[in-house]
Amino acid sequence: AQKITQTQPGMFVQEKEAVTLDCTYDTSDPSYGLFWYKQPSSGEMIFLIYQGSYDQQNATEGRYSLNFQKARKSANLVISASQLGDSAMYFCAMRPPGAGSYQLTFGKGTKLSVIP
Amino acid sequence: DAGVIQSPRHEVTEMGQEVTLRCKPISGHNSLFWYRQTMMRGLELLIYFNNNVPIDDSGMPEDRFSAKMPNASFSTLKIQPSEPRDSAVYFCASQTGTSGRNEQFFGPGTRLTVL
Repeated sequence: AQKITQTQPGMFVQEKEAVTLDCTYDTSDPSYGLFWYKQPSSGEMIFLIYQGSYDQQNATEGRYSLNFQKARKSANLVISASQLGDSAMYFCAMRPPGAGSYQLTFGKGTKLSVIP
Repeated sequence: DAGVIQSPRHEVTEMGQEVTLRCKPISGHNSLFWYRQTMMRGLELLIYFNNNVPIDDSGMPEDRFSAKMPNASFSTLKIQPSEPRDSAVYFCASQTGTSGRNEQFFGPGTRLTVL
């Protein structure tokens, strides 16, 4: 069984500063994929970034980057130059990347508040 | 391009009533998912369709819940009869292909309140 742990229920960051949201996972699968989603107060789930367990480099998408440490089983999301619009819930999720896999296991989420 | 479309966005009903939630996936996506989100349990997968066929419905809480996908562009999630504990946000998501690398695109959700 796969498990995702997000230990920070809430985080605060000053506007324009960088922030790291923690995510650790537990799986017995040798290969897997890790996702981060953003959920603003309006409620929709927005895909941010993906990291495959065998990807050679840490994923980056604009201001989002993933600090992937496979040995530690952690996949922390780094948001650089925080903006007020980054205030939202952030969810880490995992699933096996093989063809036909579909089950996304989500963490409980971290609520990020950006302070002006 | 239109994203995943869900209706209604909000639904308030009384216990015992039938509730039908609707979803239109992104055109060309052949995988569709229904999730439920609550404060206590987080995001839970209810059912997964691939090419309109239910593949995994192990997350459906009980017989009061049913889901259909009559064609590639439409799915429904029905609760009959509804109970207060069904109050939650219900998301529909779609995905192209079956690769584990492909992200799921979520709809805006339906906030269901059962009184």
